[in-house]
Amino acid sequence: SSEVTQDPAVSVALGQTVRITCQGDSLRSYYASWYQQKPGQAPVLVIYGETNRPSGIPDRFSGSSSGSTASLTITGAQAEDEADYYCTSRDSSGYHLVFGGGTKLTVL
Amino acid sequence: QVQLVQSGAEVKKPGASVKVSCEAFGYTFTSYQMHWVRQAPGQGPEWMGTINPSGGSTRYAQKFQGRVTMTRDRSTRTVYMELSSLRSEDTAVYYCARTASFGGFGDLDYWGQGTLVTVSP
Repeated sequence: SSEVTQDPAVSVALGQTVRITCQGDSLRSYYASWYQQKPGQAPVLVIYGETNRPSGIPDRFSGSSSGSTASLTITGAQAEDEADYYCTSRDSSGYHLVFGGGTKLTVL
Repeated sequence: QVQLVQSGAEVKKPGASVKVSCEAFGYTFTSYQMHWVRQAPGQGPEWMGTINPSGGSTRYAQKFQGRVTMTRDRSTRTVYMELSSLRSEDTAVYYCARTASFGGFGDLDYWGQGTLVTVSP
């Protein structure tokens, strides 16, 4: 079982804002990273170090954290943002990586 | 540019072993930690472990301890992941992925194309 948990599915109207959350006790000690995955493709890093965007990732993607919850926010969701989103963090030992179960984002 | 090129698809029988390779191009091989992540059909990614290509030290997820071995060959800039005692539940796409130059342990910026391993009698 995952040490970080996500809601299985979220939907957002085109152009609106959506927040995807990730919960786990380890997030009080270790930052979250976020990945976007589209069908048949490898995951793509969209947020690292909790709040940072790699180059090439649109600025509508942002990350934040509070307590045991990390969040990925998409401000002005586009059709191409429809994908699965996964959070990752270290586990409680600090030595291993864990992925959340993923959130399927539907853009309506 | 950075590229991770993995070996081709494999079909194995239950109880067998599989060894997947990942050849790195476009950066200093020994400077970046490499991870292995697998994804079963319809499931999310699952972290298997990591290897330091410089010294060869490894760290494995508890679930795979005793069944997985990660190695590297510095001369060919290649990391390997071998999984033994295969069962049907090991059917998945296996990815290698590099820790980002700008990030920390779990920030994986480049991924291989994936290797489908099918375990079937």
